[in-house]
Amino acid sequence: EVQLVESGGDLVQPGGSLRLSCAASGFTFSPYTMHWIRQAPGKGLEGIAYISTTGSTIWYADSVKGRFTISRDNAKNSVYLQMNSLRDEDTAVYYCTRDKSVVAFDYWGQGTLVTVSS
Amino acid sequence: QSALTQPRSVSGSPGQSVTISCTGTSRDFGDYNYVSWYQQHPGKAPKLIINDVSKRSSGVLDRFSGSKSGNTASLTISGLQAEDEADYYCCSYEVTSTSYGFGTGTKVTVL
Repeated sequence: EVQLVESGGDLVQPGGSLRLSCAASGFTFSPYTMHWIRQAPGKGLEGIAYISTTGSTIWYADSVKGRFTISRDNAKNSVYLQMNSLRDEDTAVYYCTRDKSVVAFDYWGQGTLVTVSS
Repeated sequence: QSALTQPRSVSGSPGQSVTISCTGTSRDFGDYNYVSWYQQHPGKAPKLIINDVSKRSSGVLDRFSGSKSGNTASLTISGLQAEDEADYYCCSYEVTSTSYGFGTGTKVTVL
């Protein structure tokens, strides 16, 4: 069974940092581009970063560029999101997703909640 | 990439059909078929229902169909059922910038 399990969400003060992890299981991880997608409370979906199979291609949304870093470890079947200089507007549920082709996110984790507040 | 525009809400009676539009620019859709649709029930993660404009994801019923014409993609739900009541999002990939974005989301209500 394909599973994506996010962890690392927490309450953090503005300006703080967090590292999210996503552990994948039930499929061969390395051939898939992986994405982080977030959803602020009561709002829509926002793609914020993706990393290609080997990490050679990385993309960030303008809203997080320069503050967030995506990485992956194919040996550990995991993808990460290092979040620095967090802002109130980063408060959201963060989902890890697998892309089976091009923006075809066929599996999603359960999400992890990041709350940025003083 | 700017957010794709969807109607805030659509509604229909059981058995009817509803269509959700997703409007972007020529840069959003271009000549490529990188458009997908997601269904999200409250408190749940989104679920892929359509990718590559019109390909139904595994296990998705043929009541769901997708299409694209010019700068607008569409999702049609036929034979509307109570369990179809959810939020729906489109998503497109912009080849030139290798970026992507989601639509603003549409709430489908079954009357």
